Amino acid sequence: QVQLVQSGAEMKKPGSSVKVSCKASGGAFTNYIVSWVRQAPGQGLEWMGRIIPIFGKPNYAQKFQDRVTITADDSTSTAYMELRSLRSEDTAVYYCARGPMRCETASCYLHYFDYWGQGSLVTVSS
Amino acid sequence: QSGLTQPPSVSAAPGQKVTISCSGSSANIGDKFVSWYQQLPGTAPKVLIYDNNKRPSGIPDRFSGSKSGTSATLGITGLQTGDEADYYCGTWDNKLSSWVFGGGTKLTVL
Repeated sequence: QVQLVQSGAEMKKPGSSVKVSCKASGGAFTNYIVSWVRQAPGQGLEWMGRIIPIFGKPNYAQKFQDRVTITADDSTSTAYMELRSLRSEDTAVYYCARGPMRCETASCYLHYFDYWGQGSLVTVSS
Repeated sequence: QSGLTQPPSVSAAPGQKVTISCSGSSANIGDKFVSWYQQLPGTAPKVLIYDNNKRPSGIPDRFSGSKSGTSATLGITGLQTGDEADYYCGTWDNKLSSWVFGGGTKLTVL
C-alpha cells in the first residue's frame, strides 16, 4: 500500500521560509511525478509545481515561480517543497501528491493524482 | 492563472442523482484526460475518476465521469449522506504547462 507521509505543522513569521517534506513508502516515487498542492482555509486546491524524482528537474506554476523550490531524493523516496518570503496569504494546508506520467507524441505530462499525503498546515503570522 | 469552472454548490436528496459540471478550454479539457477528486471534511483529496471515466479500485460504480469537447461531468447516483464533500475536477493545461483544478463544488445531501 502506497503511503505519503508529510512533516508536521509549522508556524512561521512573515518574510521567513518553510520547508515541508513528503516521504513515500515502498519505492512509491519510482517513475512517478510528485506534485505539491496547497489549500488555503475555506478555499480550493491550487497546484504549485511538480518534480520527477528520477530526473530531478522541477516545473513550477507561474504564480510561485520566484518563491518555491521543489526537490526530491529518489534514494530515500522523499520530496521537499520550500516556500520563501512567506506572507499571511501563504497560510494553508500543503499536500504532496503522486501521479503517473503520460507520454504522447511530443511530450510527457502529469496524468492525474493517485495518492496524496495527509497534508501539512503552515501558518504565517507575526 | 486560469483554472476550470465548476458550480460552487449542488444539492439533492438521499437516493437521488446529481451531476457536477467542469468547463475548460481547448488547452486543457479539450486536449487532455480529466480526473475528479473527492475531499471529505478535514481530509486529503482522493481520486474518484481518472481518464475521464475510469474508476480506481474500490470506488463504487455510483460514481461516473464523462467528457465532451471542453467540458466534463461527474455523476453520482444513489446519493448517501456520506457523499457530502467537496468535489474537484482537474487536468493538465498545455498552454500554461501546469496542472489546473476547478474551483470545487460542495455537495449537500439534504
